[in-house]
Amino acid sequence: DTGVSQDPRHKITKRGQNVTFRCDPISEHNRLYWYRQTLGQGPEFLTYFQNEAQLEKSRLLSDRFSAERPKGSFSTLEIQRTEQGDSAMYLCASSLMGLRAGTDTQYFGPGTRLTVL
Amino acid sequence: AQKITQTQPGMFVQEKEAVTLDCTYDTSDPSYGLFWYKQPSSGEMIFLIYQGSYDQQNATEGRYSLNFQKARKSANLVISASQLGDSAMYFCAMRETNTGFQKLVFGTGTRLLVSP
Repeated sequence: DTGVSQDPRHKITKRGQNVTFRCDPISEHNRLYWYRQTLGQGPEFLTYFQNEAQLEKSRLLSDRFSAERPKGSFSTLEIQRTEQGDSAMYLCASSLMGLRAGTDTQYFGPGTRLTVL
Repeated sequence: AQKITQTQPGMFVQEKEAVTLDCTYDTSDPSYGLFWYKQPSSGEMIFLIYQGSYDQQNATEGRYSLNFQKARKSANLVISASQLGDSAMYFCAMRETNTGFQKLVFGTGTRLLVSP
């Protein structure tokens, strides 16, 4: 399978603990995105990388959240001091920058479902 | 600010019938892209179809077509010959082009249930 993969698929943690999620994009894709989806809502954008550079960050991404893509391949999303409000599905997507601006399609992974007790 | 509105929380359709899922959008950017994704209960977002704001023809992908009415700012998804496997959440999304931002803005989705 050469799609976007995410690990773990499920994570249960206690409030106050730190968690880290990993995303492996489609191999030739140079853009990588993180979204968060809560129950009954569409995904909300968190952050975006082009190669290893983090180019966009949402205001949703508080100081407790940090994302990296150190070699322009896989990415990690860390949440420090988790809160119950962080419970959500965390989705990763990747795309290949196209010749025409704005035309690249984002392909999503299966997501990591986080539950904070 | 860009916004996507999906006013149908749920839709029902019988197998082999066609169904239209509504999507309206708001943006001040004259250049943008519109996307539809399917999300089964497993959670993965599956890309279905794309329409660029300057595309002259409505997009089609197999049983999926996009009814793009630019003046009305609507981008409805039409699924022809519905199948049981089409039962899922469907999300409309938009990305503005000229802003340089790459984020997709999603609507709240429509749950489609296909009955035998």
